[in-house]
Amino acid sequence: AQSVTQLGSHVSVSEGALVLLRCNYSSSVPPYLFWYVQYPNQGLQLLLKYTTGATLVKGINGFEAEFKKSETSFHLTKPSAHMSDAAEYFCAVIRGSARQLTFGSGTQLTVLP
Amino acid sequence: GAVVSQHPSRVICKSGTSVKIECRSLDFQATTMFWYRQFPKQSLMLMATSNEGSKATYEQGVEKDKFLINHASLTLSTLTVTSAHPEDSSFYICSALGGVTNYGYTFGSGTRLTVV
Repeated sequence: AQSVTQLGSHVSVSEGALVLLRCNYSSSVPPYLFWYVQYPNQGLQLLLKYTTGATLVKGINGFEAEFKKSETSFHLTKPSAHMSDAAEYFCAVIRGSARQLTFGSGTQLTVLP
Repeated sequence: GAVVSQHPSRVICKSGTSVKIECRSLDFQATTMFWYRQFPKQSLMLMATSNEGSKATYEQGVEKDKFLINHASLTLSTLTVTSAHPEDSSFYICSALGGVTNYGYTFGSGTRLTVV
């Protein structure tokens, strides 16, 4: 069964520092992977997704993620954190014939001034 | 881009009453819609999957008679919480799958339900 694990429920970085949010997947078939961001009391916004093709995926707001099959990882990075990046981030994978999304437990990103 | 409108954004109701939450895809036809529940500081838990014109498929442990889902058209799905109780208080989010984007899941902005 397809699933994702997010390491670190809370990550704090200084403004301008590198952001690294970790996601590992478990899948018996080539996975389709997603990163979403959620601001308080709001829905989810897609940052980026990997389906096929290039393993380095660039998303919105300067985020990118690299699909590494050998490490079963899909970590999210951003070279320089901004205060507006403070939010909850979810990694997700598709499961089932109805293409339901299964979410990781989430990582709360705090950006320190 | 694809937009999903979810209403209401917040609702407070009394115990024992029913509440309906609407999820509309504004500029695309949603072949499939998903309903999630999110507890504070937790991840999204899938409640059910609905396809237009057919019965919803509920996840294990979700009460079908309490959480009624209707997907009567390709642009509208509704979730009705029947005989609501305080433990049903939560953040409910819908997601629509459709449009031209490959694996384009679009999320509504969520509904904060408080049962008093």
